[in-house]
Amino acid sequence: DAGITQSPRHKVTETGTPVTLRCHQTENHRYMYWYRQDPGHGLRLIHYSYGVKDTDKGEVSDGYSVSRSKTEDFLLTLESATSSQTSVYFCASQGNGYGYTFGSGTRLTVV
Amino acid sequence: GIQVEQSPPDLILQEGANSTLRCNFSDSVNNLQWFHQNPWGQLINLFYIPSGTKQNGRLSATTVATERYSLLYISSSQTTDSGVYFCAVEHGGGSNYKLTFGKGTLLTVNP
Repeated sequence: DAGITQSPRHKVTETGTPVTLRCHQTENHRYMYWYRQDPGHGLRLIHYSYGVKDTDKGEVSDGYSVSRSKTEDFLLTLESATSSQTSVYFCASQGNGYGYTFGSGTRLTVV
Repeated sequence: GIQVEQSPPDLILQEGANSTLRCNFSDSVNNLQWFHQNPWGQLINLFYIPSGTKQNGRLSATTVATERYSLLYISSSQTTDSGVYFCAVEHGGGSNYKLTFGKGTLLTVNP
């Protein structure tokens, strides 16, 4: 969907380095989410935001932090990347009364 | 937390066949959404369906919220229908809306 973009699309990083993934939406949606997708687990919620500077943890938040300083941007930071954080990361946004729209994903490899 | 179960986990069809995918959920939900993840990893919105029946071309979906299940029907399947189909339920209230996914149904449509 053109209204939500993720960057980078692919990244390889070394264990112990910090990594920031960016999600940008142009729909003026209040709610934004970060998920990770792993084989056998489906998509699991990492963190979500219900407004500027308003964020909360999901089910797999350990080792991750988020920030939302503007409605359109939601950043996910891996404070010190580990191999267990190798995954595909999806961002999503939602407007009131509408379904969720997902970005194209970021494939992150931690070596 | 809420449980979302999809069946079958895998399904192989010949082109032209019909199929029904099922999603059961363990608690009351605000809404339900069906996604198709194509072979390139993109998550495509199919239906946003809290209750009732919706149709879009060869696909239709029915949600019976009182009995906590939803069905996705694919008629006259095509090879391009291949991929993973996810059911996701929205739950929570106030500023605490979350989307929880099932593990998906992997559909393979052979020519």
